[in-house]
Amino acid sequence: QVQLQESGPGLVKPSQTLSLTCTVSGGSISSGAYYWSWIRQHPGKGLEWIGYIYHSGSTYYNPSLKSLITISVDTSKNQFSLKLSSVTAADTAVYYCARALASPTVTTGGTFFDSWGQGTLVTVSS
Amino acid sequence: SYELTQPPSVSVSPGQTARITCSGDALPKQYVCWYQQKPGQAPVLVIYKDTVRPSGIPERFSGSSSGTTVTLTISGVQAEDEADFYCQSGDSSGTYVVFGGGTKLTV
Repeated sequence: QVQLQESGPGLVKPSQTLSLTCTVSGGSISSGAYYWSWIRQHPGKGLEWIGYIYHSGSTYYNPSLKSLITISVDTSKNQFSLKLSSVTAADTAVYYCARALASPTVTTGGTFFDSWGQGTLVTVSS
Repeated sequence: SYELTQPPSVSVSPGQTARITCSGDALPKQYVCWYQQKPGQAPVLVIYKDTVRPSGIPERFSGSSSGTTVTLTISGVQAEDEADFYCQSGDSSGTYVVFGGGTKLTV
């Protein structure tokens, strides 16, 4: 059974770049059957999709965050990463990595996330 | 921007049926899925492709769709079902993921 685990700093200073990595175990990121995604949840709020990446490197980003984010994949390490630049206090959130089905039967937006990491809290503060 | 609308809260007594709705103009063209999230935990997929229940999810969870509204139904609600529930689908173009605002189910 696939497992995902987020890692990275829990505290980032304003205006700096937030960097997180998701390590996938129990399955290959190169399988081609999935998108690898980042989702965040502000304290006490709902879920916000950040974006995802396919093993080929193709990316889909939330239009509201597109100018600030980069998602990359390292198939040799079975990891994918998120960089969010110019962070503010509004970027304080629990960040989840998750796996979404890539299939001709669902659109890139209408897919579903069947495996999630436990989440990591990132606080933006000086 | 495209939105999925859920009621903020639903309250039922144990053993009753809970229905949580999710509305969006593009829903007739897009699959919807549902997640259950308990405090301090990651979301768990409970319904995908409108009506399909993943393995390991109790049969009391079911999904249905009618026009621009989809519904998550929990029959015979148990105390352990108390959680936040989120619907998720694609935007009107089908390209981007959109989550509903979430519904707090109180049992």
